[in-house]
Amino acid sequence: EVQLLESGGNLVQPGGSLRLSCAASGFTFSSYGMSWVRQAPGKGLEWVSVISGSGSDTYYADSVKGRFTISRDNSNNALFLQMNSLSAEDTAVYYCAKGAGGTRSPYVYWGQGTLVTVSS
Amino acid sequence: EIVLTQSPGTLSLSTGERATLSCRASQSVGSSYLAWYQQKPGRAPRLLIYGTSSRASGIPDRFSGSGSGTDFTLTISRLESEDFAVYYCHQYGTSPPHTFGQGTKVEIK
Repeated sequence: EVQLLESGGNLVQPGGSLRLSCAASGFTFSSYGMSWVRQAPGKGLEWVSVISGSGSDTYYADSVKGRFTISRDNSNNALFLQMNSLSAEDTAVYYCAKGAGGTRSPYVYWGQGTLVTVSS
Repeated sequence: EIVLTQSPGTLSLSTGERATLSCRASQSVGSSYLAWYQQKPGRAPRLLIYGTSSRASGIPDRFSGSGSGTDFTLTISRLESEDFAVYYCHQYGTSPPHTFGQGTKVEIK
């Protein structure tokens, strides 16, 4: 059974940093692209970033480019999102999602989400 | 970046009625790269349709997708009580960034 479990969400001050993690199980982790998608309170889904199975290719939404870094540890079946220079606009539930294949694939499995709140 | 615009914003219907949701792209999306998701309050999204018209595993056949180019449609043939939710389209075909539509809420009339 595929499982995705996010962690690391917290209350952080504007300008601060946070690192999210997503523990994956139930599939060959290194064979699939993985993504982060966020949802601000009461708002719609916003695509954040995607990383290829090998980790060699990464892509970002313009809203986070230069501030967020996606990475993965295929030895430990883990996905990460390093978030720097956070602002109130980054407040959201962050979901990790498993692609059906590479970086250009729909999201078949989603985690339960982890809440990031940016506030002073 | 491809912008996806969903309409209507809210659809008020009764159980048993047909729901037609639209997703329009600002530029052409490869038909293999358009998906639809359902989301209920407090839950993660669930993949319904991928590749414009293929149903994901376990999705009932009352859900169907169609379209091409810049215009795509999700149809729910006969609404059941569990179908009242928010629906999002998603394009994943161009070089990223990938994008979601803003969502259509299907509510009970």
